[in-house]
Amino acid sequence: EVQLLESGGGLVQPGGSLRLSCAASGFTFSSFAINWVRQAPGKGLEWVSAIGGSGLTTYFADSVKGRFTISRDNSKSTLYLQMNSLTAEDTAVYYCAKETRYCSSSSCPPFFDSWGQGTLVAVSS
Amino acid sequence: DIQLTQSPSFLSASVGDRVTITCRASQGISNYLAWYQQKPGKAPKLLIYAASTLQSGVPSRFSGSGSGTEFTLTISSLQPEDFATYYCQRLNSYPLTFGGGTKVEIK
Repeated sequence: EVQLLESGGGLVQPGGSLRLSCAASGFTFSSFAINWVRQAPGKGLEWVSAIGGSGLTTYFADSVKGRFTISRDNSKSTLYLQMNSLTAEDTAVYYCAKETRYCSSSSCPPFFDSWGQGTLVAVSS
Repeated sequence: DIQLTQSPSFLSASVGDRVTITCRASQGISNYLAWYQQKPGKAPKLLIYAASTLQSGVPSRFSGSGSGTEFTLTISSLQPEDFATYYCQRLNSYPLTFGGGTKVEIK
C-alpha cells in the first residue's frame, strides 16, 4: 500500500524558514516524480513544486520561486521542501503527492494518484 | 500560463440528481486533465485522469469527458457520500494549475 507521510509543519515567524519532509513507502520511490501542493485555510488547491525521480529536474510555482527548494533522498525514500523567507501568504496545509503517468499511443498525461494527509504551516508573528 | 476556469463554483443538488461540472482551459491541453474530490479535513482523492479514465476503485457513476479546452465531470446519480468539493487540474506543462473548485452541497 502506498503511503506518504508529511512532517515538519508548525508555527513560524514572517521571514523565517521551515523544512518539510514527506516519507514514502509502498512503491519504488526513485521511479516517481513527487509534487508539493498546498491549500490555504478555506481556499482551493495550489500546486507548489515538483521533482523528478532522479532529483535532477525541479519545477516551482511563481509564488515560491527563489524562496523554496525541493529535494529528495532516494536512499531514505524521503522528499523535502525547504521554505525560506516565509510570509503570511504561505500559511497553508502542505500535501505531498505521488505522480504517475498514463501512456497511450498518442499521449502520456500525468496525474497525482496518492496524497499524504498534509502538514500545516502557519506563518505569523 | 494556461488558466483553468471551473464552473459552477457552488452547486446545490439532491440525492439521485445528475450533476455536471465544467472545466475550461485558456489554451488546448489535449487530454492532460485530472479530476479530484476533496472532503473537509481530508486530502484530495483522484477520480479521473487523462480526461476520461476512471481511477481504479472509483464508482462508475463518475465519468469524465472532453479534450482540448473543454472538459466535464459528470456524476450520474448523486449519492450522500458525493457531497464534497471537486477540482480539475491541468498537467500539460509547468506550472501546473488547479481549477477554483466546485462545492457540491445538499439541497
